Amino acid sequence: DAGITQSPRYKITETGRQVTLMCHQTWSHSYMFWYRQDLGHGLRLIYYSAAADITDKGEVPDGYVVSRSKTENFPLTLESATRSQTSVYFCASRQGTDQPQHFGDGTRLSIL
Amino acid sequence: DQQVKQNSPSLSVQEGRISILNCDYTNSMFDYFLWYKKYPAEGPTFLISISSIKDKNEDGRFTVFLNKSAKHLSLHIVPSQPGDSAVYFCAALLQTGANNLFFGTGTRLTVIP
Repeated sequence: DAGITQSPRYKITETGRQVTLMCHQTWSHSYMFWYRQDLGHGLRLIYYSAAADITDKGEVPDGYVVSRSKTENFPLTLESATRSQTSVYFCASRQGTDQPQHFGDGTRLSIL
Repeated sequence: DQQVKQNSPSLSVQEGRISILNCDYTNSMFDYFLWYKKYPAEGPTFLISISSIKDKNEDGRFTVFLNKSAKHLSLHIVPSQPGDSAVYFCAALLQTGANNLFFGTGTRLTVIP
């Protein structure tokens, strides 16, 4: 099915571990985004990408790494997870700068 | 600094009545304003938008009003239905650049049957 999918949907890990959240979209959208949603903060942008091999920092990038070797994939890696990174993570994509973003269903990440 | 603000974290409305969700912004350069709706365990979905050159856009039960002089927009839902219970995010878009969409913190709407 066409769309944007995130995996895993739920993840529990321990502090200090590396964890990668996957995002895959089938529309060949140019732009992809990673957000985290926390109570009282709404959606905060972590990283974004305008095209393959082009990535840039958003509002809250510290502790995260992204890559975009293929247009359809945009993985987000927490290199050494901390409790403050417990959150719900959303991936999004869109084609043009004036188009609405389409979101995946999110990954709920808990760091113990 | 938050460029898009939703000052009401929650709102409860009786079924059949009007729901009014409010949003304020600070940047007069925004080109579009959007509303997203989010159910639990799902991602936000686009609901309705309005261009900065218009003052009203209507889509079925949903109407968005824009008051540029006050830097304020609102989403009206009439009549409200229990299925409208969700978190609503206001967002503002600059028509240039990749990092050009700014979200508010969301308002949780509960429609009481």
